Amino acid sequence: EAQVTQNPRYLITVTGKKLTVTCSQNMNHEYMSWYRQDPGLGLRQIYYSMNVEVTDKGDVPEGYKVSRKEKRNFPLILESPSPNQTSLYFCASSLYQGGGYEQYFGPGTRLTVT
Amino acid sequence: DQQVKQNSPSLSVQEGRISILNCDYTNSMFDYFLWYKKYPAEGPTFLISISSIKDKNEDGRFTVFLNKSAKHLSLHIVPSQPGDSAVYFCAASKGTASKLTFGTGTRLQVTL
Repeated sequence: EAQVTQNPRYLITVTGKKLTVTCSQNMNHEYMSWYRQDPGLGLRQIYYSMNVEVTDKGDVPEGYKVSRKEKRNFPLILESPSPNQTSLYFCASSLYQGGGYEQYFGPGTRLTVT
Repeated sequence: DQQVKQNSPSLSVQEGRISILNCDYTNSMFDYFLWYKKYPAEGPTFLISISSIKDKNEDGRFTVFLNKSAKHLSLHIVPSQPGDSAVYFCAASKGTASKLTFGTGTRLQVTL
């Protein structure tokens, strides 16, 4: 089954404690992306990757890091989480970047930083 | 700067009637538009798209209309069904190969 998986699905942590949210896709997609969803703000892109070892900032990259060492995986790293990073996070992948290519989203990770 | 706007946070429609979800955009460079649907505890899923060379695209009960001069698109669902209750996001792209910019979402509730 073609899918994007994220782990964990739910996470409660404290300010400053480093965490990683994993994302994996099994569709051999080139493009992967991280979004956060906040009330009244919709989905905003954090980082994206066009291919292995190629990553770039999205609209709200501050406080986040990513890496793309393998095609299937695109972890999101919060080195020092803060309460304003409490949000619902989605990983997505598509064959290539852009509206011409359907993006497949993971189920989401709800992060709470206290 | 919200380049893609969905001004109605929520919409309630009776089963069997038409649901109309609206989306406005400000960037005239956008020329590819999509709608995604999101159920609780799931990620968004692609619903329908339209290129700026068209003004209408249909897929079953779903039709998207594009008015380029008004920088406005709408999603029509006819007839609405309870299973359509979800959050709908519109998104836009400059061409088929640039990143998507999403709107804020509209929560649709279809009542019996």
